[in-house]
Amino acid sequence: SQTIHQWPATLVQPVGSPLSLECTVEGTSNPNLYWYRQAAGRGLQLLFYSVGIGQISSEVPQNLSASRPQDRQFILSSKKLLLSDSGFYLCAWSAQGDSPLHFGNGTRLTVT
Amino acid sequence: KQEVTQIPAALSVPEGENLVLNCSFTDSAIYNLQWFRQDPGKGLTSLLLIQSSQREQTSGRLNASLDKSSGRSTLYIAASQPGDSATYLCAVGQGAQKLVFGQGTRLTINP
Repeated sequence: SQTIHQWPATLVQPVGSPLSLECTVEGTSNPNLYWYRQAAGRGLQLLFYSVGIGQISSEVPQNLSASRPQDRQFILSSKKLLLSDSGFYLCAWSAQGDSPLHFGNGTRLTVT
Repeated sequence: KQEVTQIPAALSVPEGENLVLNCSFTDSAIYNLQWFRQDPGKGLTSLLLIQSSQREQTSGRLNASLDKSSGRSTLYIAASQPGDSATYLCAVGQGAQKLVFGQGTRLTINP
């Protein structure tokens, strides 16, 4: 069966520090991969999605970037965090085509 | 721009009741609609996916319906249990990889 791993579960970082969140999927190949952010009172916002290695689409201009160095690995990064980057970050995957979205357990990021 | 609305924002019912959660969307040109469950501090769990050509999907005590022309979906939960307490989110598939989420309905089932 397919599983998705996302870490760390919680993270507290000072303003201006770098960020790297990692997500990996097991049990499937060539998945679509996604990064979402869930901020209090604002719902889920799609940040990036990828349909293949090295293919990244950005939905919202921001302080963050994403990379997909391997088929089942998706990384969310920032060079310098802002206070507004605080939130709950969720990685997700889906099979190609019209398939359900499956989420990881999320990373709670607090920028201080 | 697609907008997804879920009403009510919160709902509290006694155990055993049947209940309906509502989701509405503004653009009927959708690929699919998904319902998710989110427990506090956790990721989302996919409950049901309805393709744009379908009218409903069922899984156990859950039934989701879709009326594209009116821009509505409902999630019906039969014989509710305390374990059903969670936030329920609907999401509309706008393109091959894009979901637009509602803000969710926080459901509490009282024993």
